[in-house]
Amino acid sequence: NAGVTQTPKFQVLKTGQSMTLQCAQDMNHNSMYWYRQDPGMGLRLIYYSASEGTTDKGEVPNGYNVSRLNKREFSLRLESAAPSQTSVYFCASSDRRGANGDTQYFGPGTRLTVL
Amino acid sequence: RKEVEQDPGPFNVPEGATVAFNCTYSNSASQSFFWYRQDCRKEPKLLMSVYSSGNEDGRFTAQLNRASQYISLLIRDSKLSDSATYLCVVNVPWAGGSYIPTFGRGTSLIVHP
Repeated sequence: NAGVTQTPKFQVLKTGQSMTLQCAQDMNHNSMYWYRQDPGMGLRLIYYSASEGTTDKGEVPNGYNVSRLNKREFSLRLESAAPSQTSVYFCASSDRRGANGDTQYFGPGTRLTVL
Repeated sequence: RKEVEQDPGPFNVPEGATVAFNCTYSNSASQSFFWYRQDCRKEPKLLMSVYSSGNEDGRFTAQLNRASQYISLLIRDSKLSDSATYLCVVNVPWAGGSYIPTFGRGTSLIVHP
């Protein structure tokens, strides 16, 4: 039981390049999330998916797109990377639909640098 | 103003000390409150949920004060291994009647010998 996995662990991009961050969970959870964490800012929600087939914007969605590929997988895409997107990205999942009142389980994170 | 506020610290305490953190939230309609722990360069992990009546888990006690809109975490008999960043999480109302988890910036705790 791996929990939540993320790939890649590290990535360096040049401004304007695109990439997709992958996330998968094996806990049969309904809800999945993408966060970014910047020094002094805490974790901020980018997008979330309350159930398979739905996605919604969080606090900081600009510059990102997501796909809930199936119940297990939730990917985050940067179409044209900018230096402001340099951050640590965490994926998380939780059991209930909508996740109100529910524990989140986090992946190990992806450290992204955009030059 | 951020929805969820925490004193970033660091709180620097000796082993065996008792330390308390507070976290305030701005939206009175918020539901569900948690404390997570994050070690350096690692992912956050749930420490404990916070219930209206207050709850305890070993050396850790969490309390919720809805009237004043804050939650607290008390750590008794601090251990070196308690050194970490403690994140307050509040589910705040969002679009379409949903709620989203909102994190505070975290409070850093350093326990020294």
